[in-house]
This record gives sequence, C-alpha cells and structure tokens, in this order.
Amino acid sequence: NAGVTQTPKFQVLKTGQSMTLQCAQDMNHEYMSWYRQDPGMGLRLIHYSVGAGITDQGEVPNGYNVSRSTTEDFPLRLLSAAPSQTSVYFCASSFSREGNTEAFFGQGTRLTVV
Amino acid sequence: GQQVMQIPQYQHVQEGEDFTTYCNSSTTLSNIQWYKQRPGGHPVFLIQLVKSGEVKKQKRLTFQFGEAKKNSSLHITATQTTDVGTYFCAGKTGGSYIPTFGRGTSLIVHP
Repeated sequence: NAGVTQTPKFQVLKTGQSMTLQCAQDMNHEYMSWYRQDPGMGLRLIHYSVGAGITDQGEVPNGYNVSRSTTEDFPLRLLSAAPSQTSVYFCASSFSREGNTEAFFGQGTRLTVV
Repeated sequence: GQQVMQIPQYQHVQEGEDFTTYCNSSTTLSNIQWYKQRPGGHPVFLIQLVKSGEVKKQKRLTFQFGEAKKNSSLHITATQTTDVGTYFCAGKTGGSYIPTFGRGTSLIVHP
C-alpha cells in the first residue's frame, strides 16, 4: 500500500508556464483534496472532489484547475504560474462515510515560481 | 463560511514543560480532528473527537472536545524534543465534505 503519492517532490517554474501536479491514492477513497501551505497560513483548501467526475472549489481556487476522471487520480493544474503560487502543495484523501474520516496526506510538492 | 481559529501560532517551551493549543470554530462541529506535521514533513492524523465533552488520551497527549462542540484543545504533558512540529486542528460540520483546518500551532522544544 503506497497510500497517497504526489509527484514531483520539487519543481521550479518560470512565470507564465503551466504544469500539472500529480496525485494518486490506492486506498479507494472517495474524497480527495488539494491544499497549499504557506508560512503562518496553515493549510488552505484549493479544490476538492467527492468522487469521480465531481469537483468543487475550496478557499483559494483561482489559478488552478482540477479534474477527477478516476477514483485513484486527482491532478492539479496550474494554468499560468505566478510567483504568488510559490508554496508547498499537499494532496489528501479520505473515506466519505461517517465515523473515522481521517485524511491521508501525500509527501508534498515544493513549487517555486520565478 | 466556516472558520476555525487556532492559538497560539507559536509556542516555545523548555523540555519537560507542558504545552496546550486551542481551537475555536465559528459554527457547531460534527467532529474535530488533530494532525501533527514534523518539520519538512506532511500532516499525519492523530485523533478524531465526535462527542460533546469527549476526552481522549494518547500517552502524554490529551485531547478535549467542548460541550458545545465549537472548541477543542490538545495538551501535551512534559514535552520532549520529539514533540517538535506543527499541530493542526480540522473541524467538520455536518453539511461539509471536507474539514476546515486551523492555521496550526508550531511547538518548539528547547532541550
């Protein structure tokens, strides 16, 4: 069981470039989400999905797109990178049922936009 | 929208001292979770509280959920250097799919 796998671990982009951050989970979780973490700001929700084909915006969605064509994968696309998107990005997944709905996080992607 | 406030932002302690972080929600929660993130790492689930007034313990860590289900606390007794990291609370309302995270409390333990 790999859990939640994020790639790449590190990335440097030039302003205006686009890229996709990959996230895959092998736990058959319905819920998946993307967060960005900036110093002193905690974990801010970018987008989330409650199942294949269903996505919705979080707190800070501007500049990012997502899609969920399979249960396992939830890629995050940066359309035109800006320095303000320099951050650490975490993908997480969890079950949807009541009870213990702990989130499992990936190792993170450290993105620098220059 | 739902807001989850967490204080303090930072806490310096001497090894052996106690530590507490507090979490307050603007709305009533269905459950609250706590996570720990080691420096350079990713958040790792610690515990979930569901019932009003619930208290759970994990060795030196004590977690409480308020009677009104709008606040929670994490208390660490006799801190150790291995406790260093950022502790996040994450509150979920009945109508939300994804919990809202607090900004976290960074614990620095001085040997």
